[in-house]
Amino acid sequence: QKEVEQNSGPLSVPEGAIASLNCTYSDRGSQSFFWYRQYSGKSPELIMFIYSNGDKEDGRFTAQLNKASQYVSLLIRDSQPSDSATYLCAVNGGGSQGNLIFGKGTKLSVKP
Amino acid sequence: KAGVTQTPRYLIKTRGQQVTLSCSPISGHRSVSWYQQTPGQGLQFLFEYFSETQRNKGNFPGRFSGRQFSNSRSEMNVSTLELGDSALYLCASGPGTGGETQYFGPGTRLLVL
Repeated sequence: QKEVEQNSGPLSVPEGAIASLNCTYSDRGSQSFFWYRQYSGKSPELIMFIYSNGDKEDGRFTAQLNKASQYVSLLIRDSQPSDSATYLCAVNGGGSQGNLIFGKGTKLSVKP
Repeated sequence: KAGVTQTPRYLIKTRGQQVTLSCSPISGHRSVSWYQQTPGQGLQFLFEYFSETQRNKGNFPGRFSGRQFSNSRSEMNVSTLELGDSALYLCASGPGTGGETQYFGPGTRLLVL
């Protein structure tokens, strides 16, 4: 069974610091990786996707992928209190199938 | 472009009843996936539809079913409701080519009493 693992947290960082969120996955054949942000009581919102090994930057967010280690991470620079949310890592189910396999999420708290 | 819409947003049912939830994908998207989210299990995949065909199915009992119409709108049905079916039901749409990003609707929060 394909699995995605994340530390549940909570991860607490001070405002302005770098938050580092980590995720590992079990299926070595996985090709597509996603980070979603979910505020309490809301639905998941796509932040980033990454397909290739290395880093991908978008504003204050950087996704890092290491397929050899089956490891994905999300860095949030200059963290703001508005970044406080649960961050979900997701991996595509494979092939032509559109389903995503989600980790249970890491709760991030950014303290002013 | 309008986002994914889901109706109703909130629903209260009693055990044994059935329920139908509706999802309208982003215009041009042909894939619709359904997920169940609970505090204990997190986000779990129910099924995916593409061009009116179920393309993939998660590990849920047969009480959970769905369908997709020619305009890509999708419905999900749960029969003989159980207390454990109380959850947030999320619909996500994507272009349908496989491996691409999915965008979630606001969800339907179902409470079974």
